[in-house]
Amino acid sequence: NAGVTQTPKFRILKIGQSMTLQCTQDMNHNYMYWYRQDPGMGLKLIYYSVGAGITDKGEVPNGYNVSRSTTEDFPLRLELAAPSQTSVYFCASSSQGGDTDTQYFGPGTRLTVL
Amino acid sequence: RKEVEQDPGPFNVPEGATVAFNCTYSNSASQSFFWYRQDCRKEPKLLMSVYSSGNEDGRFTAQLNRASQYISLLIRDSKLSDSATYLCVVNPGSNYQLIWGAGTKLIIKP
Repeated sequence: NAGVTQTPKFRILKIGQSMTLQCTQDMNHNYMYWYRQDPGMGLKLIYYSVGAGITDKGEVPNGYNVSRSTTEDFPLRLELAAPSQTSVYFCASSSQGGDTDTQYFGPGTRLTVL
Repeated sequence: RKEVEQDPGPFNVPEGATVAFNCTYSNSASQSFFWYRQDCRKEPKLLMSVYSSGNEDGRFTAQLNRASQYISLLIRDSKLSDSATYLCVVNPGSNYQLIWGAGTKLIIKP
């Protein structure tokens, strides 16, 4: 049981480039989340999804897009990378809503934008 | 005032000692509370939920004080493996948007 997997583990982007961070979970969880974690800061919610075909904005959605075509996959898209998007990105999933159930995290993607 | 505030530490504690740290939250309507543990350069993992009556899991005890709007985590007989950052997490009342503290770093020394 792999849990939540994320690719890539590391990436360096130039300003203005685009990329997709992949997230897959094999626990059949309905709820999935994307967070970013900046040094010395708490996790900030970027986007979340309560099921396939349903997504919604979190606290810091600007500069990002998501899609949820299947229960398993929840990719995060950066269209025009900016230095402010340098961060560690975590994908998470839970079987129920975030306030009632444990969130399981992937290992993270460390992104640097130069 | 930050929504969830923690002392960043680090707390340097000798092995076997007892250590406690608090987390304050600003929204009095907050519904549920958690402690997550995050090892260096790893993902967060749930340590324990915090219930109104307080709860204990082995060497770990969590308490909630709604009147003063803080939660606490007590670790007894600390082990080297307890070295990590402890994240305080609060549900302010919305369904899915948890509010995360920046974490308290704990270093257990032999």
